[in-house]
Amino acid sequence: GENVEQHPSTLSVQEGDSAVIKCTYSDSASNYFPWYKQELGKRPQLIIDIRSNVGEKKDQRIAVTLNKTAKHFSLHITETQPEDSAVYFCAAEGGKLIFGQGTELSVKP
Amino acid sequence: DAGVIQSPRHEVTEMGQEVTLRCKPISGHNSLFWYRQTMMRGLELLIYFNNNVPIDDSGMPEDRFSAKMPNASFSTLKIQPSEPRDSAVYFCASSSGGKNTIYFGEGSWLTVV
Repeated sequence: GENVEQHPSTLSVQEGDSAVIKCTYSDSASNYFPWYKQELGKRPQLIIDIRSNVGEKKDQRIAVTLNKTAKHFSLHITETQPEDSAVYFCAAEGGKLIFGQGTELSVKP
Repeated sequence: DAGVIQSPRHEVTEMGQEVTLRCKPISGHNSLFWYRQTMMRGLELLIYFNNNVPIDDSGMPEDRFSAKMPNASFSTLKIQPSEPRDSAVYFCASSSGGKNTIYFGEGSWLTVV
Protein backbone atom coordinates (compact mmCIF):
# COMPACT_ATOMS: atom_id res chain seq x y z
CA GLY A 1 0.00 0.00 0.00
CA GLU A 2 0.84 3.67 -0.09
CA ASN A 3 3.42 5.08 2.30
CA VAL A 4 4.02 8.81 2.72
CA GLU A 5 7.13 10.23 4.34
CA GLN A 6 7.20 13.88 5.41
CA HIS A 7 10.13 16.07 6.44
CA PRO A 8 10.99 17.91 8.56
CA SER A 9 8.92 17.02 11.60
CA THR A 10 9.43 20.49 13.05
CA LEU A 11 10.33 23.74 11.35
CA SER A 12 10.96 27.13 12.89
CA VAL A 13 11.28 30.27 10.77
CA GLN A 14 11.31 34.01 11.28
CA GLU A 15 8.32 36.00 10.14
CA GLY A 16 8.77 36.95 6.52
CA ASP A 17 11.01 34.01 5.67
CA SER A 18 9.99 31.11 3.44
CA ALA A 19 9.14 27.61 4.64
CA VAL A 20 9.45 24.40 2.66
CA ILE A 21 8.01 21.02 3.61
CA LYS A 22 8.82 17.92 1.58
CA CYS A 23 7.01 14.62 1.10
CA THR A 24 7.75 11.40 -0.74
CA TYR A 25 5.30 8.66 -1.63
CA SER A 26 5.71 5.05 -2.63
CA ASP A 27 2.74 4.17 -4.87
CA SER A 28 3.34 5.32 -8.44
CA ALA A 29 -0.42 5.00 -9.04
CA SER A 30 -1.13 7.89 -6.66
CA ASN A 31 -2.37 10.90 -8.60
CA TYR A 32 -3.86 13.31 -6.07
CA PHE A 33 -1.80 15.18 -3.47
CA PRO A 34 -3.54 17.51 -1.00
CA TRP A 35 -2.03 19.52 1.83
CA TYR A 36 -3.87 20.11 5.08
CA LYS A 37 -3.28 22.63 7.85
CA GLN A 38 -4.26 21.77 11.41
CA GLU A 39 -4.28 24.39 14.11
CA LEU A 40 -4.07 23.33 17.74
CA GLY A 41 -7.26 21.62 18.82
CA LYS A 42 -8.90 22.02 15.43
CA ARG A 43 -9.68 19.81 12.48
CA PRO A 44 -7.35 19.43 9.46
CA GLN A 45 -8.38 21.77 6.66
CA LEU A 46 -7.37 21.67 3.03
CA ILE A 47 -5.11 24.53 1.96
CA ILE A 48 -4.02 23.45 -1.51
CA ASP A 49 -3.93 20.33 -3.65
CA ILE A 50 -2.30 19.19 -6.88
CA ARG A 51 -3.10 16.46 -9.35
CA SER A 52 -0.64 14.38 -11.28
CA ASN A 53 -1.15 16.16 -14.58
CA VAL A 54 0.24 19.38 -13.12
CA GLY A 55 3.79 20.12 -11.97
CA GLU A 56 3.12 23.24 -9.91
CA LYS A 57 0.22 25.14 -8.45
CA LYS A 58 0.11 28.47 -6.63
CA ASP A 59 -2.41 30.18 -4.40
CA GLN A 60 -1.21 33.53 -3.08
CA ARG A 61 1.65 32.78 -0.65
CA ILE A 62 1.32 29.02 -0.98
CA ALA A 63 2.68 26.85 -3.76
CA VAL A 64 2.99 23.13 -4.27
CA THR A 65 5.33 21.33 -6.66
CA LEU A 66 5.12 17.72 -7.81
CA ASN A 67 7.80 15.50 -9.34
CA LYS A 68 6.08 12.27 -10.37
CA THR A 69 9.27 10.68 -11.64
CA ALA A 70 10.96 11.05 -8.29
CA LYS A 71 7.69 10.56 -6.40
CA HIS A 72 8.02 13.63 -4.26
CA PHE A 73 6.07 16.82 -3.73
CA SER A 74 6.66 19.94 -1.68
CA LEU A 75 4.79 22.78 -0.02
CA HIS A 76 6.26 26.26 -0.20
CA ILE A 77 5.02 29.11 1.97
CA THR A 78 6.48 32.53 1.25
CA GLU A 79 6.41 35.64 3.45
CA THR A 80 5.42 33.59 6.46
CA GLN A 81 3.24 35.13 9.15
CA PRO A 82 2.63 34.09 12.78
CA GLU A 83 -0.83 32.84 11.82
CA ASP A 84 0.84 30.27 9.54
CA SER A 85 1.98 28.47 12.69
CA ALA A 86 0.28 25.06 12.70
CA VAL A 87 0.85 21.43 11.82
CA TYR A 88 0.89 20.75 8.09
CA PHE A 89 0.09 17.34 6.60
CA CYS A 90 0.78 16.12 3.12
CA ALA A 91 -1.23 13.24 1.70
CA ALA A 92 -1.28 11.01 -1.35
CA GLU A 93 -4.20 9.18 -2.88
CA GLY A 94 -4.03 6.13 -5.10
CA GLY A 95 -7.34 4.68 -3.98
CA LYS A 96 -7.37 5.94 -0.42
CA LEU A 97 -5.90 9.06 1.17
CA ILE A 98 -2.78 8.37 3.23
CA PHE A 99 -1.22 11.14 5.31
CA GLY A 100 2.35 11.97 6.16
CA GLN A 101 3.38 12.31 9.80
CA GLY A 102 3.02 16.08 9.85
CA THR A 103 5.31 19.09 10.18
CA GLU A 104 4.93 21.48 13.08
CA LEU A 105 5.65 24.93 11.69
CA SER A 106 6.45 27.75 14.07
CA VAL A 107 6.70 31.30 12.71
CA LYS A 108 8.40 33.65 15.14
CA PRO A 109 7.51 37.34 15.06
CA ASP B 1 -23.81 23.72 4.85
CA ALA B 2 -23.27 22.41 8.38
CA GLY B 3 -20.20 20.41 7.47
CA VAL B 4 -19.38 16.99 8.87
CA ILE B 5 -20.98 16.60 12.27
CA GLN B 6 -19.53 14.35 14.94
CA SER B 7 -20.69 13.40 18.39
CA PRO B 8 -19.73 13.29 21.13
CA ARG B 9 -17.06 15.98 20.99
CA HIS B 10 -15.44 14.72 24.16
CA GLU B 11 -15.80 11.45 26.00
CA VAL B 12 -14.09 10.04 29.05
CA THR B 13 -14.83 6.42 29.77
CA GLU B 14 -13.50 3.60 31.87
CA MET B 15 -11.55 0.72 30.46
CA GLY B 16 -13.82 -2.08 29.36
CA GLN B 17 -16.76 0.14 28.52
CA GLU B 18 -18.31 0.34 25.08
CA VAL B 19 -17.76 3.56 23.14
CA THR B 20 -19.86 4.65 20.18
CA LEU B 21 -18.83 7.59 18.04
CA ARG B 22 -21.28 9.07 15.55
CA CYS B 23 -20.93 10.94 12.30
CA LYS B 24 -23.18 12.74 9.88
CA PRO B 25 -21.42 13.43 6.56
CA ILE B 26 -22.00 16.45 4.37
CA SER B 27 -25.24 16.05 2.46
CA GLY B 28 -24.62 14.69 -1.02
CA HIS B 29 -21.21 13.22 -0.21
CA ASN B 30 -20.96 9.52 -1.00
CA SER B 31 -17.61 8.73 0.60
CA LEU B 32 -17.07 8.60 4.35
CA PHE B 33 -13.83 8.06 6.23
CA TRP B 34 -12.87 7.38 9.84
CA TYR B 35 -9.39 8.52 10.89
CA ARG B 36 -7.64 8.25 14.25
CA GLN B 37 -5.05 10.82 15.33
CA THR B 38 -2.42 10.30 18.01
CA MET B 39 0.93 11.93 18.65
CA MET B 40 2.76 8.68 18.05
CA ARG B 41 0.98 7.43 14.92
CA GLY B 42 -0.30 10.62 13.30
CA LEU B 43 -3.44 10.46 11.16
CA GLU B 44 -4.37 6.86 10.47
CA LEU B 45 -7.14 5.79 8.12
CA LEU B 46 -9.24 3.21 9.93
CA ILE B 47 -11.98 2.50 7.39
CA TYR B 48 -13.79 4.14 4.52
CA PHE B 49 -17.16 3.70 2.86
CA ASN B 50 -18.39 4.42 -0.67
CA ASN B 51 -22.15 4.61 -1.10
CA ASN B 52 -22.60 3.16 2.41
CA VAL B 53 -20.49 0.08 1.60
CA PRO B 54 -17.24 -0.54 3.50
CA ILE B 55 -14.45 -0.55 0.92
CA ASP B 56 -11.30 -0.87 2.98
CA ASP B 57 -11.12 -1.66 6.69
CA SER B 58 -7.49 -2.71 6.73
CA GLY B 59 -6.69 0.13 9.12
CA MET B 60 -9.05 -1.07 11.83
CA PRO B 61 -6.65 -2.03 14.61
CA GLU B 62 -8.42 -5.13 15.91
CA ASP B 63 -11.73 -6.86 16.36
CA ARG B 64 -12.67 -4.52 19.19
CA PHE B 65 -13.30 -1.87 16.54
CA SER B 66 -16.30 -1.94 14.23
CA ALA B 67 -17.92 0.61 11.93
CA LYS B 68 -21.28 0.78 10.22
CA MET B 69 -23.01 3.05 7.76
CA PRO B 70 -26.70 2.12 7.71
CA ASN B 71 -27.60 5.01 5.41
CA ALA B 72 -26.07 7.89 3.50
CA SER B 73 -26.39 10.35 6.38
CA PHE B 74 -25.10 8.38 9.36
CA SER B 75 -22.15 6.30 10.44
CA THR B 76 -20.89 4.88 13.73
CA LEU B 77 -17.53 3.73 14.99
CA LYS B 78 -17.75 1.41 17.96
CA ILE B 79 -15.05 0.23 20.34
CA GLN B 80 -15.92 -2.68 22.59
CA PRO B 81 -14.31 -3.16 25.03
CA SER B 82 -12.31 0.06 25.17
CA GLU B 83 -8.71 0.19 26.39
CA PRO B 84 -6.49 3.10 27.49
CA ARG B 85 -4.43 2.80 24.27
CA ASP B 86 -7.57 3.70 22.33
CA SER B 87 -7.33 7.24 23.69
CA ALA B 88 -7.08 9.51 20.66
CA VAL B 89 -8.96 11.99 18.51
CA TYR B 90 -11.26 10.23 16.08
CA PHE B 91 -12.09 12.19 12.95
CA CYS B 92 -14.88 11.47 10.55
CA ALA B 93 -14.54 12.94 7.08
CA SER B 94 -16.53 12.91 3.86
CA SER B 95 -16.09 13.69 0.20
CA SER B 96 -18.05 13.55 -3.04
CA GLY B 97 -15.89 10.68 -4.15
CA GLY B 98 -12.97 10.18 -6.47
CA LYS B 99 -10.12 12.62 -6.09
CA ASN B 100 -12.22 15.28 -4.46
CA THR B 101 -11.56 17.23 -1.29
CA ILE B 102 -12.05 15.41 1.97
CA TYR B 103 -13.73 17.51 4.65
CA PHE B 104 -13.12 16.67 8.28
CA GLY B 105 -15.46 16.93 11.21
CA GLU B 106 -14.40 18.57 14.47
CA GLY B 107 -13.33 15.22 15.90
CA SER B 108 -14.30 13.16 18.92
CA TRP B 109 -11.74 13.39 21.72
CA LEU B 110 -11.73 10.02 23.49
CA THR B 111 -10.01 9.33 26.78
CA VAL B 112 -10.11 5.82 28.23
CA VAL B 113 -8.99 5.61 31.85
